[in-house]
Amino acid sequence: NAGVMQNPRHLVRRRGQEARLRCSPMKGHSHVYWYRQLPEEGLKFMVYLQKENIIDESGMPKERFSAEFPKEGPSILRIQQVVRGDSAAYFCASSPRGETYEQYFGPGTRLTVT
Amino acid sequence: GNSVTQMEGPVTLSEEAFLTINCTYTATGYPSLFWYVQYPGEGLQLLLKATKADDKGSNKGFEATYRKETTSFHLEKGSVQVSDSAVYFCALSKEGGSEKLVFGKGMKLTVNP
Repeated sequence: NAGVMQNPRHLVRRRGQEARLRCSPMKGHSHVYWYRQLPEEGLKFMVYLQKENIIDESGMPKERFSAEFPKEGPSILRIQQVVRGDSAAYFCASSPRGETYEQYFGPGTRLTVT
Repeated sequence: GNSVTQMEGPVTLSEEAFLTINCTYTATGYPSLFWYVQYPGEGLQLLLKATKADDKGSNKGFEATYRKETTSFHLEKGSVQVSDSAVYFCALSKEGGSEKLVFGKGMKLTVNP
């Protein structure tokens, strides 16, 4: 059973471009969480999604950031008009249901904004 | 709001040394507590957990006890190995509601032979 997959592993964008980060949860998992790790910081929760629904987006910046988890395909975290402060590692986790101790993490996408 | 404060590193130990990583938390109610480990180039893995006061989580020689009176969840291992070199994160989830995790900043441990 493959683990949580994230791609790309590394992404470089110039200021003002769009970044799309993809997360494929483990087979059979219908809950996805996105976290961001800024340099010298711990992971911060961004958003929690189930298939076709956003359950909790209390950690998402109000502008430029959006997330989706369609019925088919991976979850996408989209950052429009990136700025240098968006440079971070973005981690996705999945679980078979909404129980925290069963969150399985992907290897992360490291976004660098130049 | 809920928060986690943990020892920050980096820390370097010799093989077979005793390890303690302090973790304290602030939360309302009765959160669940976790230790995650991140090996180089990999995602986070759940190391151990405790869901109520006085519970002891254990795995791979690591232990942590949920202490409500001191709001702590310190991680210990009696004899570290080179393979324990990693970044360790303490985390909590609040009681009820969304199941998001609140993390500490992480501590990098290096174990030398």
